[in-house]
Amino acid sequence: GQNIDQPTEMTATEGAIVQINCTYQTSGFNGLFWYQQHAGEAPTFLSYNVLDGLEEKGRFSSFLSRSKGYSYLLLKELQMKDSASYLCAVRDGSYIPTFGRGTSLIVHP
Amino acid sequence: NAGVMQNPRHLVRRRGQEARLRCSPMKGHSHVYWYRQLPEEGLKFMVYLQKENIIDESGMPKERFSAEFPKEGPSILRIQQVVRGDSAAYFCASSPEERNNNSPLHFGNGTRLTVT
Repeated sequence: GQNIDQPTEMTATEGAIVQINCTYQTSGFNGLFWYQQHAGEAPTFLSYNVLDGLEEKGRFSSFLSRSKGYSYLLLKELQMKDSASYLCAVRDGSYIPTFGRGTSLIVHP
Repeated sequence: NAGVMQNPRHLVRRRGQEARLRCSPMKGHSHVYWYRQLPEEGLKFMVYLQKENIIDESGMPKERFSAEFPKEGPSILRIQQVVRGDSAAYFCASSPEERNNNSPLHFGNGTRLTVT
């Protein structure tokens, strides 16, 4: 089976940097996704990693270590609008993404 | 902007009634996934379909739940004889033909089902 762990909640200050971790144990590995979800809305795609290393996209970066079953999402220059739930999803051997429970990020002034 | 379209956004049903949730994938996408989300919980996979085929339904309860994706028209998730425990947000997502590339799933805005 699959097991994906993320912290339940994190808080940070506007303008700061925050790192959201995700660890996983899956049967096979075909990529890891990060999504952002605001309350009552659809999850929106942020990043995709399939090889080890860091992928940078503007204020958001995502890192993957396949040998450690570990990823993180790094958010820089935090803005109030970044308050949302961040979902880690792993695509296993079946190519179906399995989602973690999500990390609720609260950004305060 | 033809994203993934789900309707209705909100659906209220009494116990024992049927719920039909519709999903039209993004233009050019032929793979559809249904997920269920309870408050404070992650997205739980239910079923994965291609046109006229159910590829994987391992996450869908064997009783009362069914899904289809006909050659013409939207994908339908059908819940018969709904119970209060079926109350949740149901999200549909779509992806292009090649499932083994890096294309992410694109999600609709979901249908929030409330069973009274």
